[in-house]
Amino acid sequence: EPEVTQTPSHQVTQMGQEVILRCVPISNHLYFYWYRQILGQKVEFLVSFYNNEISEKSEIFDDQFSVERPDGSNFTLKIRSTKLEDSAMYFCASRGTPSTDTQYFGPGTRLTVL
Amino acid sequence: AQSVTQPDIHITVSEGASLELRCNYSYGATPYLFWYVQSPGQGLQLLLKYFSGDTLVQGIKGFEAEFKRSQSSFNLRKPSVHWSDAAEYFCAVGPKAAGNKLTFGGGTRVLVKP
Repeated sequence: EPEVTQTPSHQVTQMGQEVILRCVPISNHLYFYWYRQILGQKVEFLVSFYNNEISEKSEIFDDQFSVERPDGSNFTLKIRSTKLEDSAMYFCASRGTPSTDTQYFGPGTRLTVL
Repeated sequence: AQSVTQPDIHITVSEGASLELRCNYSYGATPYLFWYVQSPGQGLQLLLKYFSGDTLVQGIKGFEAEFKRSQSSFNLRKPSVHWSDAAEYFCAVGPKAAGNKLTFGGGTRVLVKP
């Protein structure tokens, strides 16, 4: 069964450093998402992406964040200058077509900012 | 604004006993409703979903959920719990529109006693 994959599984970085989290969505899916889950808190929506542009973003997704689909398979989340409060599990998800409404999630990347 | 409430943070159940997890939502219209499960160290796996039609939906691993519009609820049930059902369960809602940002509840952690 096709699945969403994410790399790395765990990333440790120093405050102020840039990080790029990578996701490979399910092939032929058209909609892509990033969510995050701070330890002990709810899973929160960050951003959705369709047709090579952001379709919706949350208040969390400020100028420090960016997303990109650099080629036909990868979907990345970049945090330019990490803060301690960016420590969280980051989940990528993808959805097939406008007529399908199920998002399939990857296993997540645990980001630890020191 | 939409919101999802899972009133029970933790539930402990004996193996073989029945399980019911509560989910209440606040939404401007009838949303799409989902239950996801997160096993330790794993990502979010879709258990089941409700879009329309029959209000009792069947999912994977023997789970079912019932949509009750009058109560704004979408409770998850399993008649007989297995030790492998120990995990965290998340209820989520999403709009019937493109974009499909999901709003998650806080999760219910299920512990299974032998």
